[in-house]
Amino acid sequence: DTEVTQTPKHLVMGMTNKKSLKCEQHMGHRAMYWYKQKAKKPPELMFVYSYEKLSINESVPSRFSPECPNSSLLNLHLHALQPEDSALYLCASSRTGGRSSYEQYFGPGTRLTVT
Amino acid sequence: AQKITQTQPGMFVQEKEAVTLDCTYDTSDPSYGLFWYKQPSSGEMIFLIYQGSYDQQNATEGRYSLNFQKARKSANLVISASQLGDSAMYFCAMRDGGGGSQGNLIFGKGTKLSVKP
Repeated sequence: DTEVTQTPKHLVMGMTNKKSLKCEQHMGHRAMYWYKQKAKKPPELMFVYSYEKLSINESVPSRFSPECPNSSLLNLHLHALQPEDSALYLCASSRTGGRSSYEQYFGPGTRLTVT
Repeated sequence: AQKITQTQPGMFVQEKEAVTLDCTYDTSDPSYGLFWYKQPSSGEMIFLIYQGSYDQQNATEGRYSLNFQKARKSANLVISASQLGDSAMYFCAMRDGGGGSQGNLIFGKGTKLSVKP
């Protein structure tokens, strides 16, 4: 099973709201990723978790707060977002380590609209 | 610095014909991996094929094959017998194999493939 699930599929939120995106995988992967993708652009890496610890934060604004409660789950907490944060948010997972062959498996994404 | 270049913003192909999507890369790391992903309009990134820098043979996965020319630093995706369901955005990506690397993928800008009936 190479499935990564994400909920919700669509989310509309106001700039004062607090919401969370959820991601789950059961492939035993210990690396999990959040990407942001604007229309007609490639995905941009936001965060990387390795063994449930945040290892990379690509200078993401603090209104995005990641959390990895266990090895299967990854959350992205959203607060006081701006309209320009509207995008497709993709979660991915992979095996850890320096091997270049470890492909990332992506979830279906959450389409976020900030009004 | 690592870089992936996809020079074809859009491509058209007739159903049942083969098509080649171009990808060139740049890295100073001798160990790296090259990946192709398909992204339909639904949004999910679907892993298609992988080629390692030390692999002697070109990778193949069903109708997908990778034309790997290491000296030219190119990793073109060949889709044989195109189907209407192949219409999607295709991304080439690279990951280095450096010690301690988190395995971050670097993506090209993508090529939008449209298959005509």
